[in-house]
Amino acid sequence: ETGVTQTPRHLVMGMTNKKSLKCEQHLGHNAMYWYKQSAKKPLELMFVYSLEERVENNSVPSRFSPECPNSSHLFLHLHTLQPEDSALYLCASSQDLSGLGIEEQFFGPGTRLTVL
Amino acid sequence: DQQVKQNSPSLSVQEGRISILNCDYTNSMFDYFLWYKKYPAEGPTFLISISSIKDKNEDGRFTVFLNKSAKHLSLHIVPSQPGDSAVYFCAAKDSGAGSYQLTFGKGTKLSVIP
Repeated sequence: ETGVTQTPRHLVMGMTNKKSLKCEQHLGHNAMYWYKQSAKKPLELMFVYSLEERVENNSVPSRFSPECPNSSHLFLHLHTLQPEDSALYLCASSQDLSGLGIEEQFFGPGTRLTVL
Repeated sequence: DQQVKQNSPSLSVQEGRISILNCDYTNSMFDYFLWYKKYPAEGPTFLISISSIKDKNEDGRFTVFLNKSAKHLSLHIVPSQPGDSAVYFCAAKDSGAGSYQLTFGKGTKLSVIP
């Protein structure tokens, strides 16, 4: 247990569906991240939040919409996805986002998403 | 273009022997490197890190070596244990101000054979 939980663990959705992924961290961290891991590709950073403010959007299509209502929760809202969006979506958190040092990131177990 | 490369997708090692996982990078701005370990159905967990001011960092059975001139780092596990069987990700960071992004390799799947 890393202190970062994600629900659901598995999700199958059609291209016209709307769904949301949830992440919760119990570590008192101030920064949260969404990553995508496609088959045979490295983890790709999607979004970064620091103190509930989005600080990074790595050219992610608008069909992915993040939300960070407080420092413990992070959502990824999904709509009109494509089959190529099928991947493992990982949430992570770190104490801060100083950029000047190294902040170890703690990962959740991920949501395995399949888009039909 | 991949900035962090783990060229061996898999590695098999006998229990008790040394496991050596390799990682190469191309971005000379990277100055901090981390190794993460991932079991199936779990997220990656931090294992060990090294700053570019060092060339070696050791933590128990795990040692990371950094060769800056070759832009190469390696993770040594000795002795290897069956519980070490997992996917190992190398990650790199440019720790300059405002730069917090970790760049990951594709991972190497280690199998330790009892």
